[in-house]
Amino acid sequence: NAGVTQTPKFQVLKTGQSMTLQCAQDMNHNSMYWYRQDPGMGLRLIYYSASEGTTDKGEVPNGYNVSRLNKREFSLRLESAAPSQTSVYFCASSEAGTRSNQPQHFGDGTRLSIL
Amino acid sequence: ILNVEQSPQSLHVQEGDSTNFTCSFPSSNFYALHWYRWETAKSPEALFVMTLNGDEKKKGRISATLNTKEGYSYLYIKGSQPEDSATYLCASGSNDYKLSFGAGTTVTVRA
Repeated sequence: NAGVTQTPKFQVLKTGQSMTLQCAQDMNHNSMYWYRQDPGMGLRLIYYSASEGTTDKGEVPNGYNVSRLNKREFSLRLESAAPSQTSVYFCASSEAGTRSNQPQHFGDGTRLSIL
Repeated sequence: ILNVEQSPQSLHVQEGDSTNFTCSFPSSNFYALHWYRWETAKSPEALFVMTLNGDEKKKGRISATLNTKEGYSYLYIKGSQPEDSATYLCASGSNDYKLSFGAGTTVTVRA
């Protein structure tokens, strides 16, 4: 059972390059999330998708776009990468439940460096 | 954006000893409190989700309590083992799908 799969695991970009981080879940979850994790800080929500066909901004959406391609897949795009976007990115999914009362299941993360 | 704080930032505990640490969160608009365990080189794994004031949850030697009126939750580890070494994250959710995470408490169990 794969759970939440993120690709790639590592990536180095130059400032100004674009890139899409892929995420897929096989648990038939309705809700999916993208977080970034920086040293000394908690996971910060970038964007989320409460259900297929909807996306909403989280705490730190600037510089990112997302696409909920179908129920399984939720991608995160950096249109013009900046050094401040160097981080570890986590995708997560959860059953819809009632708002925030369902546990989230995380992928292994993508370590992204912007030079 | 909810301000979730965890203390201490890190702690060391001798194998066999018990320990506990705190998560504080705004009590207004509270909906759910999550605890996750995050081992090095792995992804965060859900331990508990609690919603009701006075909730207590237990999983093996790990347990958690919740006080929504004063805005805090404790995580307890009884008889710590080396495999308990990890970062423990708490997250608070309000009446939407979003969670606000604390920075975590890193526990190191010394054999």
